[in-house]
Amino acid sequence: EAGVAQSPRYKIIEKRQSVAFWCNPISGHATLYWYQQILGQGPKLLIQFQNNGVVDDSQLPKDRFSAERLKGVDSTLKIQPAKLEDSAVYLCASTRIGTIGELFFGEGSRLTVL
Amino acid sequence: EDKVVQSPLSLVVHEGDTVTLNCSYEVTNFRSLLWYKQEKKAPTFLFMLTSSGIEKKSGRLSSILDKKELFSILNITATQTGDSAIYLCAVNRGANNLFFGTGTRLTVIP
Repeated sequence: EAGVAQSPRYKIIEKRQSVAFWCNPISGHATLYWYQQILGQGPKLLIQFQNNGVVDDSQLPKDRFSAERLKGVDSTLKIQPAKLEDSAVYLCASTRIGTIGELFFGEGSRLTVL
Repeated sequence: EDKVVQSPLSLVVHEGDTVTLNCSYEVTNFRSLLWYKQEKKAPTFLFMLTSSGIEKKSGRLSSILDKKELFSILNITATQTGDSAIYLCAVNRGANNLFFGTGTRLTVIP
C-alpha cells in the first residue's frame, strides 16, 4: 500500500511570497489532515477534511492560509503571503472513516521563509 | 486551554539502558492517548491507549495510561541506537482531532 505522498519536500521563499503544498492520501482514506510542526514543537492541526468537506479549521490562520480538497482525494495547502514565522514542516496525514486514533503521516514539506 | 506536557524534553542514555518518558494532559474532551515515534521524517504510530491500567506492549516498548491522574508513560527497555528519535504524545479529542505535546528527544549513545 502506497503511503501519504507530499510535495515539494523542501521549499525556500522570501517573506511575502506565496507557496503551495500538495498531498495525496492513502487510497481509500476519506479523512485528511494538515499539521504544522515548528522546530522544537509538536505538530499543530491546521485543518481536517472528511471527503471534500471541512471538519475543523479553527487553528488555520485564514488571513494567509487556505486549503482545499476539491474532489475528496488530494489536497493543496497554500500560504499567501508568507511570514517568517511560517517556517515549519507541513505534515499531511490521512485515515479511513471510522478509524479511531491512528493517523498515517507523509514525510512532510519543509518550508523556510527568509 | 488544552495542554499536553511531555517530560523530559530531551534525554541522552547509553545502549542497554531503560528509559521512561512521561506525558501529562489536561483536555476538555478525552477519547484516547497516542504515542508516535518521529525520526527525521514522518511520525509513526506506536500505541493507542483508551483504558486506565492496561499496559500495551510491543517488543521492548510498553505504555500505560492513568485516566485518574491524567498521565501516561512510555517505557523502552534495553535501548538501541535505532531508538534515537523524538517521541510524541497526543490526545485524541474526538473525531481524530489529535492534540500533540512538544515531544521528548531521546538520544541513545553506543
